[in-house]
Amino acid sequence: GAVVSQHPSWVICKSGTSVKIECRSLDFQATTMFWYRQFPKQSLMLMATSNEGSKATYEQGVEKDKFLINHASLTLSTLTVTSAHPEDSSFYICSARDSGNTIYFGEGSWLTVV
Amino acid sequence: GENVEQHPSTLSVQEGDSAVIKCTYSDSASNYFPWYKQELGKGPQLIIDIRSNVGEKKDQRIAVTLNKTAKHFSLHITETQPEDSAVYFCVPFHGGAAGNKLTFGGGTRVLVKP
Repeated sequence: GAVVSQHPSWVICKSGTSVKIECRSLDFQATTMFWYRQFPKQSLMLMATSNEGSKATYEQGVEKDKFLINHASLTLSTLTVTSAHPEDSSFYICSARDSGNTIYFGEGSWLTVV
Repeated sequence: GENVEQHPSTLSVQEGDSAVIKCTYSDSASNYFPWYKQELGKGPQLIIDIRSNVGEKKDQRIAVTLNKTAKHFSLHITETQPEDSAVYFCVPFHGGAAGNKLTFGGGTRVLVKP
């Protein structure tokens, strides 16, 4: 089946630094990728929708200057958490849509800001 | 936007019994109905999906039924096993709209007791 890979799977960074998370569709081209955040024992919260070659569409309440999303190719989208703070610590998940409109999710990335 | 509800929110079953989770949605334009399984600390995994022109689909112990008129679809797991313990999400989707986002149900936490 289709595979979506996220990297890194976990990262620890110091408060005030920036961290980048990559999302790759390994065996299909994804014109649309989605970024989610998930808190413990809660559902996934959509942060933004990323379309290849255009600016991401952010959900209400998500700071676009803090969560920078780039979708430079049909197989890669990146999420950069800028000036990270402890409250940004969370599980971040990406998903990608294939040409048949099936959605596949990455394995998720744990971010801990200390 | 889409309003998605899952019931029950938690489900405890004895190994070997069946489990049924129901998902109701509000957008009559939704035409793709996937179910995802999320294990602790991992990204959601697509386990079964159905499109609007089909009423039922089965894959071994897992089945999905769709009632478009009533706007609900259900996940059925037969002969449950301990490894079926996870959180299950329904994500009805309008696949024809490139800009549409995924709306997750609240999730159903399934516990299969050996």
